[in-house]
Amino acid sequence: DAGVTQSPTHLIKTRGQQVTLRCSPISGHKSVSWYQQVLGQGPQFIFQYYEKEERGRGNFPDRFSARQFPNYSSELNVNALLLGDSALYLCASRSDRGRTTNEKLFFGSGTQLSVL
Amino acid sequence: QKEVEQNSGPLSVPEGAIASLNCTYSDRVSQSFFWYRQYSGKSPELIMSIYSNGDKEDGRFTAQLNKASQYVSLLIRDSQPSDSATYLCAVNSGGSNYKLTFGKGTLLTVNP
Repeated sequence: DAGVTQSPTHLIKTRGQQVTLRCSPISGHKSVSWYQQVLGQGPQFIFQYYEKEERGRGNFPDRFSARQFPNYSSELNVNALLLGDSALYLCASRSDRGRTTNEKLFFGSGTQLSVL
Repeated sequence: QKEVEQNSGPLSVPEGAIASLNCTYSDRVSQSFFWYRQYSGKSPELIMSIYSNGDKEDGRFTAQLNKASQYVSLLIRDSQPSDSATYLCAVNSGGSNYKLTFGKGTLLTVNP
């Protein structure tokens, strides 16, 4: 089975531009989360979506937005890019069949965003 | 602000030794605790989850949880060079909405 897939793998943008990152969860997974990982830090929670509804939002400005589609794939949008937005953006999905399985997050390989 | 703190690294151990990684968390109501391994340039990979006080063993890995002390640890026995990676402690601070709060990670190097 395919894991969590993210695209693109690498992206270079300039300050002020907008970017869209894409994620496809593991087949059958209805929950998608987005995390930002700055070099040398742990991942930081941005959003969680379940069944196309936002279920959680981290401490990020309104420049960050996301949505989930009927096929459970998701997009993360970042407007008015700043240098500090340079990071690895990770998408993760999870199933919802019982507690142990429920709480295992599967991460994609990430999108490395560089803002110049 | 809910926080997860990990012992500062890097941690260096010889091959075959026990590596001990520690983590404390601030949110007393947290119920789920995880250890992720992240190789350089790769995404995090879940290696252990623990929900109840005590020890949980899986192969060479043992996770320990003490909710009264708000402390989680990971022991790696018979460390191998392939265990060299950054280990991230994560706590579910979102309840059913499942929001993971990660520590900064501890870089482990196992020397042959």
